[in-house]
Amino acid sequence: EAQVTQNPRYLITVTGKKLTVTCSQNMNHEYMSWYRQDPGLGLRQIYYSMNVEVTDKGDVPEGYKVSRKEKRNFPLILESPSPNQTSLYFCASSAPYNEQFFGPGTRLTVL
Amino acid sequence: AQSVTQLDSHVSVSEGTPVLLRCNYSSSYSPSLFWYVQHPNKGLQLLLKYTSAATLVKGINGFEAEFKKSETSFHLTKPSAHMSDAAEYFCVVSPWGQGGKLIFGQGTELSVKP
Repeated sequence: EAQVTQNPRYLITVTGKKLTVTCSQNMNHEYMSWYRQDPGLGLRQIYYSMNVEVTDKGDVPEGYKVSRKEKRNFPLILESPSPNQTSLYFCASSAPYNEQFFGPGTRLTVL
Repeated sequence: AQSVTQLDSHVSVSEGTPVLLRCNYSSSYSPSLFWYVQHPNKGLQLLLKYTSAATLVKGINGFEAEFKKSETSFHLTKPSAHMSDAAEYFCVVSPWGQGGKLIFGQGTELSVKP
């Protein structure tokens, strides 16, 4: 089954404790992205990648890191999480200029 | 700068009546435009997309949208609402030449009354 998977689905952590949210897709897509969703703000793009080793900042990259060492994986790293990064996070993948397929989401709470 | 504005944060209709969700965009060149739907506690699903072919785009579940360049609009419509249409809808633009970048509108929550 074609899908985008994210782990963990739910995470509660404390300020400053480094964490990684994994994202994997099995559709051989070149493009992958990370978004955060906050009430009243829609989804905002954090980072995107157009291929292996090619990443670019989205609209809200501060406080996040990404890497794309393999085509199928695109982890999101929070080196020192803060409470304002409490949000619902989505990973997505697509072929160039095609619809994006979204993962199920990761709900992160930073205390 | 590219942007997307959904003109209504909340729309309420009665079952069986038409649905209109409004979206205006700003983009330097011809963008790709999408509508996504998010049901409660679910991920996002593509409803339809416009990529410079026909200006009237048909999507899933009876939804359609019309691209109007002169008005920079891409409104979503459905002739007859169903209870299962209750969800949040997002208008999305992918600027020309930036295939990896998506800009989302703030979302419109659609309620359907019996």
